[in-house]
Amino acid sequence: RKEVEQDPGPFNVPEGATVAFNCTYSNSASQSFFWYRQDCRKEPKLLMSVYSSGNEDGRFTAQLNRASQYISLLIRDSKLSDSATYLCVVKKDNQGGKLIFGQGTELSVKP
Amino acid sequence: DGGITQSPKYLFRKEGQNVTLSCEQNLNHDAMYWYRQDPGQGLRLIYYSQIVNDFQKGDIAEGYSVSREKKESFPLTVTSAQKNPTAFYLCASTSDAWQGPYNSPLHFGNGTRLTVT
Repeated sequence: RKEVEQDPGPFNVPEGATVAFNCTYSNSASQSFFWYRQDCRKEPKLLMSVYSSGNEDGRFTAQLNRASQYISLLIRDSKLSDSATYLCVVKKDNQGGKLIFGQGTELSVKP
Repeated sequence: DGGITQSPKYLFRKEGQNVTLSCEQNLNHDAMYWYRQDPGQGLRLIYYSQIVNDFQKGDIAEGYSVSREKKESFPLTVTSAQKNPTAFYLCASTSDAWQGPYNSPLHFGNGTRLTVT
């Protein structure tokens, strides 16, 4: 089993749709969680950290469920510019801050 | 503006040649990392360095070497021993790798796409 596993993509949605991505992690000692966005042939960029109580940034909402060891990212009112690959990242604090990346979920928003 | 600079953006080499990828940061970050990304896979950690003159192997260090003689610089050498070197290589840095849980996340360079034929 992979340490961090994401929904297999791609997700093809129309503009204005709501889309949710899930990510599961295997190490219960993981402490920090992030979502990164990666555009085609570019470097990943931080989208948002994921806090225990859940957090929202505009159209984006991140949730953490420690009991079930998964995190989610919800995108509301999706835009064409949201098309990208979304990477789930988990930090293993018991290993000197090592970050584990999921394989990414590709989102394509169509007009 | 502070940031991480990787060069070159595209690199082509013949099989059997060593090649060095450059990574420079002016963010005053202590920790630097090298990742490799292959299509359909997540980023895999090659090497990382928490402080100057110290570095650790990541998950796929075989066939690679690094140095960290200066805080700003963390070059990666892809040696001829690396069996499948064609990939997208990403360098990253962060200011406080040891502190958590919501310490600063990784800042990435724009990557080097290496093709070995």
